[in-house]
Amino acid sequence: SQQGEEDPQALSIQEGENATMNCSYKTSINNLQWYRQNSGRGLVHLILIRSNEREKHSGRLRVTLDTSKKSSSLLITASRAADTASYFCATDTGNQFYFGTGTSLTVIP
Amino acid sequence: GAVVSQHPSWVICKSGTSVKIECRSLDFQATTMFWYRQFPKQSLMLMATSNEGSKATYEQGVEKDKFLINHASLTLSTLTVTSAHPEDSSFYICSVPGTPREPQHFGDGTRLSIL
Repeated sequence: SQQGEEDPQALSIQEGENATMNCSYKTSINNLQWYRQNSGRGLVHLILIRSNEREKHSGRLRVTLDTSKKSSSLLITASRAADTASYFCATDTGNQFYFGTGTSLTVIP
Repeated sequence: GAVVSQHPSWVICKSGTSVKIECRSLDFQATTMFWYRQFPKQSLMLMATSNEGSKATYEQGVEKDKFLINHASLTLSTLTVTSAHPEDSSFYICSVPGTPREPQHFGDGTRLSIL
């Protein structure tokens, strides 16, 4: 399947530190998206990066995309306790849309 | 405001019951909608693609007779879990497709618990 792999599976950091999550995928994509999911809740769209883009910023979020390596990273700077959630990358090939395995982030106050 | 409305948000029912979940596109017409399932501490897995006016397309390993999908209008898709059993307990989420420049829009999900 096209499902992406995320690394690490779980991450625990102190408030104020930066958190970095990585996503790798298998085939060519139109865009890659990052989502956040609080426990037992729906998905919140964070950021979309198109295949011809290399980096994108949104507030404390920074996303990079390397299509040659088929990988993306999500950086959350100056983390807060409220950032505690699961984060998923999702790849859109135009025909299919698949989620990565997810990273569970815990920010300790 | 919400772009996709999913209902109900939580269902608890007995084994053998059939459960219908609705997914409504509020802001625009959707010829296609997606249904995902998520088990605890796992990722979302695409179950099927709902197509307005035609049969749904199911992913490999998903029983089409157990998970009935109906997309009768451009704003409504329904997923019916027939004769549900405890192993069907999961979080079900629908979405409306995006474009190469716009993300998919997701419903808030339905937590299904079969006793």
